[in-house]
Amino acid sequence: AQRVTQPEKLLSVFKGAPVELKCNYSYSGSPELFWYVQYSRQRLQLLLRHISRESIKGFTADLNKGETSFHLKKPFAQEEDSAMYYCALSNTGFQKLVFGTGTRLLVSP
Amino acid sequence: NAGVTQTPKFRVLKTGQSMTLLCAQDMNHEYMYWYRQDPGMGLRLIHYSVGEGTTAKGEVPDGYNVSRLKKQNFLLGLESAAPSQTSVYFCASSYPGARNTEAFFGQGTRLTVV
Repeated sequence: AQRVTQPEKLLSVFKGAPVELKCNYSYSGSPELFWYVQYSRQRLQLLLRHISRESIKGFTADLNKGETSFHLKKPFAQEEDSAMYYCALSNTGFQKLVFGTGTRLLVSP
Repeated sequence: NAGVTQTPKFRVLKTGQSMTLLCAQDMNHEYMYWYRQDPGMGLRLIHYSVGEGTTAKGEVPDGYNVSRLKKQNFLLGLESAAPSQTSVYFCASSYPGARNTEAFFGQGTRLTVV
């Protein structure tokens, strides 16, 4: 079965501090992994996907198949990064997205 | 470009009442989804559709029905609402295929069942 685990409900850091939001998954095939973000009073939107190997707004995420992880990282957090972050998984070829429970990131000045 | 639009944005129902949530997308997407978002539970898939006229159950389908009569619309029905269905409901749509896997979400519908 597909499962996404985000162990932290809340991550609170100061501006300029490094950030790592954890995501672990279980899936028997070759998954596609994503990070979605929901800013206050905005709709959920894609932040980045592992297949693109991109950096968006300073965030990166590396798929580690050995550890079945897809942690989201940013070296220097900004106040505007405060939001709800969801890790999501989809099986290749079909996009039934399965989400984790989410981590709220709070960046304080 | 409207993207994904949900109707209504808010609703309060009494236990046992029925209602339909409408999701409309103007991006010609094949896939559409309904999720519910509850505190500490993340987004859970209720039902989804891979094309006009087809629907399938997700993780938490009980108490809900769906229809996809037109490609651009995906309806979520509650036949007899229960307080456990109090939640925020999100609709999403996407193209099929491994390289175009971004899902676009609606703004959500906050439903309270009293």
